[in-house]
Amino acid sequence: EAGVTQSPTHLIKTRGQQATLRCSPISGHTSVYWYQQALGLGLQFLLWYDEGEERNRGNFPPRFSGRQFPNYSSELNVNALELEDSALYLCASSLGDTSPLHFGNGTRLTVT
Amino acid sequence: GNSVTQMEGPVTLSEEAFLTINCTYTATGYPSLFWYVQYPGEGLQLLLKATKADDKGSNKGFEATYRKETTSFHLEKGSVQVSDSAVYFCALKGRGGGYNKLIFGAGTRLAVHP
Repeated sequence: EAGVTQSPTHLIKTRGQQATLRCSPISGHTSVYWYQQALGLGLQFLLWYDEGEERNRGNFPPRFSGRQFPNYSSELNVNALELEDSALYLCASSLGDTSPLHFGNGTRLTVT
Repeated sequence: GNSVTQMEGPVTLSEEAFLTINCTYTATGYPSLFWYVQYPGEGLQLLLKATKADDKGSNKGFEATYRKETTSFHLEKGSVQVSDSAVYFCALKGRGGGYNKLIFGAGTRLAVHP
């Protein structure tokens, strides 16, 4: 069974640009979660999608947005990039409720 | 709101030493509890889980017991190896509604020396 896949692995952007990160969940999983892991910091919850709808959102500005497609894959968009957006962005998928989250290896975003 | 507190690291041990990483939580209702591990340069891997009080999760020699009375989920291993060097995250997941997201502790870095 293929795990959660994320692309690209690395992404380098300049301040003010937009970044698009992609995630394919494990087959059969309908929930997708996005987390930010900045250097030296813990994991901060960004967004949760289930069945194509945004279900919950973390404490991030509106320039962080995303969507979930009918095949349950997901996209995270970050507009007007700032230097402090440099981080590892992790995507996870889940069957729901008490089921654990299964993580991809992340996209490392560097903003210069 | 829900939260997780785990002991600060780094934790430095010699090979074959006993490991305990403390984790306590605050939550509404009856959350599920998890330990994840992150090896250098990789994403997070699920290490073990427990979904109700008194459940014991175990995997690869690691164990943790869901203690509702002390709101704790401490991670233990009887004999650590150099290959266990990683960052360990305690996490909880609420049930239903807007609580169905994973909330992580700050992570504890473990370094095991030969």
